[in-house]
Amino acid sequence: DTAVSQTPKYLVTQMGNDKSIKCEQNLGHDTMYWYKQDSKKFLKIMFSYNNKELIINETVPNRFSPKSPDKAHLNLHINSLELGDSAVYFCASSHHRDRGQETQYFGPGTRLLVL
Amino acid sequence: LAKTTQPISMDSYEGQEVNITCSHNNIATNDYITWYQQFPSQGPRFIIQGYKTKVTNEVASLFIPADRKSSTLSLPRVSLSDTAVYYCLVALAGYSSASKIIFGSGTRLSIRP
Repeated sequence: DTAVSQTPKYLVTQMGNDKSIKCEQNLGHDTMYWYKQDSKKFLKIMFSYNNKELIINETVPNRFSPKSPDKAHLNLHINSLELGDSAVYFCASSHHRDRGQETQYFGPGTRLLVL
Repeated sequence: LAKTTQPISMDSYEGQEVNITCSHNNIATNDYITWYQQFPSQGPRFIIQGYKTKVTNEVASLFIPADRKSSTLSLPRVSLSDTAVYYCLVALAGYSSASKIIFGSGTRLSIRP
């Protein structure tokens, strides 16, 4: 009955590889997000997405691309992985209410280590 | 664009009231203030949200002064299980850019017996 789930939980890979992280929510929400949390625990939003628009944080490299097959899923694909991509990636979801008021529900995180 | 500043860490004891303050000097008229709690190896979890004055729910209170340049999360009678990192979030209502969602650096709260 997990509300927001992510797979895999851990991901260890080599520089230059391409990898994907999957996210699914069963809350019926229409907005989903990807966050990156670095070793200093700073949480930084990467994308927010609903059926109508993809909102991108302009500082995110274009090697990162969100893909949403349907409203309940938002996957994160990363091309040409770099050492600096090592972090914990969190998926979240919320209802599309007045922006700024949404309560976001977070997944358990995917710990990515690039060697 | 509103930025947030929080103390890096705080210590307290079981049964005490803990107040964590977040500064957001550049908060805009439509920004809301939300607090999240994060335990190790878990994602953040919503605690409370407010726009102005005082908000209270079953786990915490949120105090926001009239100028809204800061907010204080108040945890009454903390227990060991309240040991976590607490994040202050300022988000612009009607934002058009993902970069308008700004999480604070987080306050690591340690509760001792």
